[in-house]
Amino acid sequence: ELKVEQNPLFLSMQEGKNYTIYCNYSTTSDRLYWYRQDPGKSLESLFVLLSNGAVKQEGRLMASLDTKARLSTLHITAAVHDLSATYFCAVDMSSGAGSYQLTFGKGTKLSVIP
Amino acid sequence: NAGVMQNPRHLVRRRGQEARLRCSPMKGHSHVYWYRQLPEEGLKFMVYLQKENIIDESGMPKERFSAEFPKEGPSILRIQQVVRGDSAAYFCASSRDQGNTGELFFGEGSRLTVL
Repeated sequence: ELKVEQNPLFLSMQEGKNYTIYCNYSTTSDRLYWYRQDPGKSLESLFVLLSNGAVKQEGRLMASLDTKARLSTLHITAAVHDLSATYFCAVDMSSGAGSYQLTFGKGTKLSVIP
Repeated sequence: NAGVMQNPRHLVRRRGQEARLRCSPMKGHSHVYWYRQLPEEGLKFMVYLQKENIIDESGMPKERFSAEFPKEGPSILRIQQVVRGDSAAYFCASSRDQGNTGELFFGEGSRLTVL
C-alpha cells in the first residue's frame, strides 16, 4: 500500500521567512501533485511534477521532485499571510497515461503570522 | 463558468438514515471521481466514473456505499444506513479526459455529519 507522508503537519512561520515542506512516498511513481486548500474550500492545483528532477515555481512557492529518493519538496520564500492554508502533496497510483487515483498526504497546515 | 458543483454543502443525518451527495462536473468533463476526507487526514480515492459506467471502485467500502453517473444529471454518491464513522467531507473531482496529467478539478465538498 502506498504511503505518503508529509512533514511538518503544522507550521507556523513569520512573514518574510523561508521554509520547506517535505513529502515522502513509499512506492515508485513519476507523478506528484501539490494542492492548496483553504478552510471549507476545494483543492486548488498548485504544481504537477511529472519527472525526476522536475522543478516548478509560481510566485513564492517552488516545488521539486526526486523520484529516486521518493521525495518532493515545497519551498516557501519570504512568506506572506496570504499563503496561510493547508498544503497537500498527492502521488498518482493510476495505471496508464491518466491520473485519477491520487494518494494524498495528511496535509501541512501553514499559518503565516505578522 | 461554473466549476465542479457539489450539493448539499452540508448534510446532517442520524444513524441509519441515507445520505445522497450530488456532483455536477465542469462543462465538457465526462470523468468524475469521488474522494473522502476524514478529519485531519488527506483525501482518499473512492470511485471513478464515466457516464453510465463505473471504471474503478477500488476505494469504495464494499457495503452501504454506491455511486452512479447517469446519462443525464449529476453523479450521485449514496450512503445507506449511515454510521458515525461516515462523517467526513466528500469531494468530487472531474476531468475532461482520464486525469490528463493532474487536471483534476475539485468541487468544494459535501460535509456529512452523522449524529
